[in-house]
Amino acid sequence: DQQVKQNSPSLSVQEGRISILNCDYTNSMFDYFLWYKKYPAEGPTFLISISSIKDKNEDGRFTVFLNKSAKHLSLHIVPSQPGDSAVYFCAASPGTYKYIFGTGTRLKVLA
Amino acid sequence: DTAVSQTPKYLVTQMGNDKSIKCEQNLGHDTMYWYKQDSKKFLKIMFSYNNKELIINETVPNRFSPKSPDKAHLNLHINSLELGDSAVYFCATAWTGGSEQFFGPGTRLTVL
Repeated sequence: DQQVKQNSPSLSVQEGRISILNCDYTNSMFDYFLWYKKYPAEGPTFLISISSIKDKNEDGRFTVFLNKSAKHLSLHIVPSQPGDSAVYFCAASPGTYKYIFGTGTRLKVLA
Repeated sequence: DTAVSQTPKYLVTQMGNDKSIKCEQNLGHDTMYWYKQDSKKFLKIMFSYNNKELIINETVPNRFSPKSPDKAHLNLHINSLELGDSAVYFCATAWTGGSEQFFGPGTRLTVL
């Protein structure tokens, strides 16, 4: 039973355009959400997070949006750069030490 | 200066063998984790230790035994390795109550 889902395994975007990565969850007890970026042969690296009391968090080119009623979050990257090409994981936590990850979306930014 | 390190980076072994993967962190975090990323790229939590105490054990077979000799180390010992244990294993650390986790580079385990 996968509680965090990233239904798009891959996404290609032109450099300079917006990248939108989506994530859906099923557990309404999740109260903290995170996005991680992963390059090949490396561990995931934290990108941005959002608490369930907010609906938007912004950090430079990265913005995460949370729609609690739809149990949906998205990561917007604008403008997209070739260095953003990586696998992006969303993760959710019910407030304990536990984090549940999605299966990832591979983003390719075309120059 | 690597924040979270894992050794070895690659491990190839035969079925039935016993092997260990080591994780060390120099961030001073009080919580450490082991994750398994299988062939479907699903990153799943296995164990979590807080101040050397086991706090999460996600229905992992008891062939897997984590050991935390001190707050900076969380090692993973695997007995009687099986083909299905082939995966990439990631160590991660965090502060209690903190948000993000810091991941090690991963150990790719291949069981033949």
